[in-house]
Amino acid sequence: ELKVEQNPLFLSMQEGKNYTIYCNYSTTSDRLYWYRQDPGKSLESLFVLLSNGAVKQEGRLMASLDTKARLSTLHITAAVHDLSATYFCAVISNSGYALNFGKGTSLLVTP
Amino acid sequence: GAVVSQHPSRVICKSGTSVKIECRSLDFQATTMFWYRQFPKQSLMLMATSNEGSKATYEQGVEKDKFLINHASLTLSTLTVTSAHPEDSSFYICSATNWAGGYNEQFFGPGTRLTVL
Repeated sequence: ELKVEQNPLFLSMQEGKNYTIYCNYSTTSDRLYWYRQDPGKSLESLFVLLSNGAVKQEGRLMASLDTKARLSTLHITAAVHDLSATYFCAVISNSGYALNFGKGTSLLVTP
Repeated sequence: GAVVSQHPSRVICKSGTSVKIECRSLDFQATTMFWYRQFPKQSLMLMATSNEGSKATYEQGVEKDKFLINHASLTLSTLTVTSAHPEDSSFYICSATNWAGGYNEQFFGPGTRLTVL
């Protein structure tokens, strides 16, 4: 069974600060996804990472994938209030086709 | 980009009634659709996977006779919650993809919030 662990699960940070969310997974995979979810809404795709060493950046968010360590990171630079949301990573195992989600990281950015 | 719609967005029903939720891929053909359920403050849990023209594959612990899934065309999948009870109240989200079409990701619908009284 593929397990996906995110940490931290809750994160309160001040505007302007940097922080990293970690996503570990338990089996071989080279397909990892990051999503954002606002309260009451569905998922918004942030990044699709499909190879070892992949790095993608959009605005204040940057995601990377290390398939050998089975680790992905979502780095937040100079946080702003608009980034407050829940962030999920999800993995598809190389032998499967369904997304396995982490528990999510609830991010609150305060002034 | 690929767009997936769901209808209705919200539904309130009485215990014992059945509710049908539609998931449509608007601008692409979805060979595979997924149904997820999300309880408050929790992650998404995969309920079932459906491929067009074949029976859905249900995850362990999901009652196939209670959650009927039909994927009759390449653009439409339906989830029917039969004899709904308050514990079925949840946020139901579908996603769609076309692996053969070269998509490497699933595209999510906006979700349906079901409240069973």
